[in-house]
Amino acid sequence: SQQGEEDPQALSIQEGENATMNCSYKTSINNLQWYRQNSGRGLVHLILIRSNEREKHSGRLRVTLDTSKKSSSLLITASRAADTASYFCATDEETSYDKVIFGPGTSLSVIP
Amino acid sequence: DTGVSQDPRHKITKRGQNVTFRCDPISEHNRLYWYRQTLGQGPEFLTYFQNEAQLEKSRLLSDRFSAERPKGSFSTLEIQRTEQGDSAMYLCASSLVYSLGRPTNEKLFFGSGTQLSVL
Repeated sequence: SQQGEEDPQALSIQEGENATMNCSYKTSINNLQWYRQNSGRGLVHLILIRSNEREKHSGRLRVTLDTSKKSSSLLITASRAADTASYFCATDEETSYDKVIFGPGTSLSVIP
Repeated sequence: DTGVSQDPRHKITKRGQNVTFRCDPISEHNRLYWYRQTLGQGPEFLTYFQNEAQLEKSRLLSDRFSAERPKGSFSTLEIQRTEQGDSAMYLCASSLVYSLGRPTNEKLFFGSGTQLSVL
């Protein structure tokens, strides 16, 4: 089962532009995370935002969370060719065991 | 190397054979997940453990799949009577979950995965 749905499925931008990806989810959560995956590699954690937080920054990353709309966005500023990867949001369902499930991802291509 | 390790990295098998994958999580991590990923898709939840206890197994998973974490450390995922549709990357991840009244997930650390090809 998948909790989150990312939008868009694919995004192509020029180097230096900003990239915005959105994630929507269905159930109440404790936190939401974003991960990155380069082609053929494992997933790498980028940032975690808790349900009582609205915005978080880490370097060139900015994440927002709107629990009333059950949605989050990931903004990558001043993109670089090295940012080319797939990006996934992951949520832990607010159940007794809080399993972490992933969305289908956004494929980002940054053109030099 | 204190990261999550998975073995083997690649597995090619014939349809109908059984396969077993191993995951060694980060030593102090108490939670361990198994996911399956096919090309262009997100990781699909299979099962997860809190220490040695299996908390949930995906309803989409057939009885041919079984996982164990006998001592709350390493874990194995076995697929019996493999089918071509089982071909995928099998990912393991671990995390440290704090119990301050209720479990709170922290970030997952992923292994490099086991790529399974069923011929």
